Amino acid sequence: DIRMTQSPASLSASLGETVNIECLASEDIYSDLAWYQQKPGKSPQLLIYNANSLQNGVPSRFSGSGSGTQYSLKINSLQSEDVATYFCQQYNNYPFTFGSGTKLEIK
Amino acid sequence: EVQLVESGGGLVQPGRSMKLSCAASGFTFNNYDMAWVCQAPKKGLEWVATISYDGSSTYYRDSVKGRFTISRDNAKSTLYLQMDSLRSEDTATYYCARLDPFWFAYWGQGTLVTVSS
Repeated sequence: DIRMTQSPASLSASLGETVNIECLASEDIYSDLAWYQQKPGKSPQLLIYNANSLQNGVPSRFSGSGSGTQYSLKINSLQSEDVATYFCQQYNNYPFTFGSGTKLEIK
Repeated sequence: EVQLVESGGGLVQPGRSMKLSCAASGFTFNNYDMAWVCQAPKKGLEWVATISYDGSSTYYRDSVKGRFTISRDNAKSTLYLQMDSLRSEDTATYYCARLDPFWFAYWGQGTLVTVSS
């Protein structure tokens, strides 16, 4: 199975700041990576697919990058509504696997 | 608008069975592969199973192989998850999700399954 190591586990930042969340795959996943946002008590929502493609309706302050085994999610100009847990997920191979999540809070 | 509505969760004893349903609307159901993803309380996400658009192919995580069965009824636009020989570690919220084509583009609200005596 492909292991997805996500960091940091938690993050506190101020409104307007830029934050980065990292995801490291245990093998090359050829950009077959998605990012999801899960707000408290809600189901996950797709933000990014194919490592850097923004899902329709997602604000442009979210962006994804990376290749091979290393990927990142960047959130520019942090807003209060961005408080959530963020997960990466690889779909290069079954079983599809997720990172353990990054809990983002406002300082 | 794409809608996925799960049902069928609840409290069940270890070793017993439970069947989850997911009613889909707002899109042509038989054009899409579908999946179940679970989340144990206060934990991360785990992919459970995937079924192809026509039901001809299925995939399972190792821990549920032989115990869970994913199926679909395209005439009813409904996805199912039959869960047998349930264990305490199966306790989780189960989400159905649409694959577009490999990432989970749409999610239901989830249904909680609690396995306990």
